[in-house]
Parts: sequence; C-alpha cells; structure tokens
Amino acid sequence: RKEVEQDPGPFNVPEGATVAFNCTYSNSASQSFFWYRQDCRKEPKLLMSVYSSGNEDGRFTAQLNRASQYISLLIRDSKLSDSATYLCVVSGGSYIPTFGRGTSLIVHP
Amino acid sequence: DTGVSQDPRHKITKRGQNVTFRCDPISEHNRLYWYRQTLGQGPEFLTYFQNEAQLEKSRLLSDRFSAERPKGSFSTLEIQRTEQGDSAMYLCASSFSVNEQFFGPGTRLTVL
Repeated sequence: RKEVEQDPGPFNVPEGATVAFNCTYSNSASQSFFWYRQDCRKEPKLLMSVYSSGNEDGRFTAQLNRASQYISLLIRDSKLSDSATYLCVVSGGSYIPTFGRGTSLIVHP
Repeated sequence: DTGVSQDPRHKITKRGQNVTFRCDPISEHNRLYWYRQTLGQGPEFLTYFQNEAQLEKSRLLSDRFSAERPKGSFSTLEIQRTEQGDSAMYLCASSFSVNEQFFGPGTRLTVL
C-alpha cells in the first residue's frame, strides 16, 4: 500500500458544481496534513492546511478523519479557474513530507 | 521577488554528464527541501536541510545524487553521470520549521 493515495481522476464537473476529493494515508503517526494546488507545468502552491477540527476558506473545506486515516477537500460552487491538480501532503513524526500523486479537476462551462 | 528561486530553469545534458542545480530559499526559512517530479506523479521527496544540517538523505535516488547547503542559505543538488531516467522536474521548497512549504519554479532536466 502506498503511503499516500489519491484518485488521479480526472474529475470533470460543470461550473457551479460541488466536488470532493479524498486522500488516504497509511502512517497512523502522521501529524501534519496539507492540500496543495498545482497548475499545469507550474510549481505546487499551498491551498490550505488541514487541522483536526477541520477548516474552511471560502468555497474550500478540508477535513481530517484520523480514525479512518484520510483527509478530504470539498470545493463548492466550482469555477473554471479551479481547474488544476490537487495534491495532498502528509508528514509523520520525522516531518518528511509525502505527496500523493494528485487528483486532476477539470471544470467546464 | 522574495520567493524561492531556482537556477537554471531548464537544463539539457548528455547522458554521463554531471549537472548541478541551485536553490535560493526564502531568507527567513530554516528548512529546505528537494523533490523530483515526473509527469502524472506528485513530488517525490529526496532530501532536506534544517539550516546547514542535512537531516534526511536516505531518500536520495542513488549515490549519484548529492546535496549541500554549506552556510544554511542556498543549496545545490548535484547529479553525477546522468542517465535518461533522471529526466524530470527538480523542485526546491523552503519552510519555517514544520510549517507549510513554499516551492520554487523548478529546474526541468532533460538527459539525451
């Protein structure tokens, strides 16, 4: 089993849709969780940190489920500009970050 | 621009040659990371530094790969005797402690 797993997609959704991605991790000792966004041929950029209590930033909501060892990202009211690859990152006690392969999102008119 | 910078942005080399990439992190960041990314995959962790100390290097892909951060500021990643399989994007990131990382634009390596 890979340390961090994501469904590569692509998720193809119309503007205005709500879409959710999950990311599972294998190391139960993981302590830090993030979602990054990566546009084609660009570097990853931080989208949001994921806290135990969950967090929300505008149309984006991130949740952590330690019991089932996954994190999720919910995007409401999708925009064309949300089209990108979404990468989850998990760090354990040694703080070595492990990236998932990313989930591709395509928002169409 | 006070972000992470990498040089060169593109490198084309012949198999067997040595290459060296440079990364300049955000000045107040004490951690610096190197990753490799291939098409369709997420960044793959290679190594990281806290200040000038290299705290993890077991993930370097082979003994042909080495990294330095001599004064705790900029870092270099060297690949000796390049192979075609080394062709990839090499990303550098920096952070303050264990907080979120900020990535540079990457160096795209093509080995002919």
